[in-house]
Amino acid sequence: AQSVAQPEDQVNVAEGNPLTVKCTYSVSGNPYLFWYVQYPNRGLQFLLKYITGDNLVKGSYGFEAEFNKSQTSFHLKKPSALVSDSALYFCAVRDMTRYSTLTFGKGTMLLVSP
Amino acid sequence: KAGVTQTPRYLIKTRGQQVTLSCSPISGHRSVSWYQQTPGQGLQFLFEYFSETQRNKGNFPGRFSGRQFSNSRSEMNVSTLELGDSALYLCASSKQSTSGSPADTQYFGPGTRLTVL
Repeated sequence: AQSVAQPEDQVNVAEGNPLTVKCTYSVSGNPYLFWYVQYPNRGLQFLLKYITGDNLVKGSYGFEAEFNKSQTSFHLKKPSALVSDSALYFCAVRDMTRYSTLTFGKGTMLLVSP
Repeated sequence: KAGVTQTPRYLIKTRGQQVTLSCSPISGHRSVSWYQQTPGQGLQFLFEYFSETQRNKGNFPGRFSGRQFSNSRSEMNVSTLELGDSALYLCASSKQSTSGSPADTQYFGPGTRLTVL
C-alpha cells in the first residue's frame, strides 16, 4: 500500500526567508508525486507534480520541489516566503499502475510571519 | 475555463437524514473523484467515476454512494447520516482516459461543508 508522511504539523518561517515543507513517501515501483495547497474554506489548489525526468520540479507561485529517490522524499521549497503563502500544504502520491488512486499526507500548516 | 464547481457549499442536516452533493467537473474532464476531509483523518478517498462507471472505491461504508451522468457531472449521496459524517467533501476532476493514466492532475472544487447535528 502506498503512503505519504509529512513529519511536521506546522512550519514557521519569517517573510523573506526560504521555506521547506517536508514529504516522504512509500510506494511500489516509481512514484508520481504531487503538491497541493489549501487556503481556509477553499478546495485544494495544484502546485506542481513529479512524473519523470529532472528531479527539480518548478511549479506555481514560485514553489519548487526536489525529488530524491534514494531518500524517498519530495520536499517543497521556496527561496523567499511571503505572508500570503500561509496555508495548509498537502503532499500526495500515486503508483504507476492504471487507475491508481491518489494518497495524501496529513498536511503541514505553513505560517509566514511579517 | 471554469473550474470545478460544487453545490451546495454548506449544508446542515440531522442524524438519520440523507444528503446529496453535486459536482460539475472542468469542461472536457471525464473523471471525477470524491474525497472526505476531516481534522482527524485528513483527506480520504471515497470513489472515482469515469464514463458513468465507478472505477475505484475507498474504504467507506455502503451508506456512501455516488454516480456520474453522461455529461460527466457527478453526485454523491450519504444515507442515514451520522455525526461522524460531518466533514468537507471535495470533488476533483481530471482529463483521464480509458487507459487510466496516473500522471493526470486532479483539480479540486471548493468543497461542500456538511454539518450533521
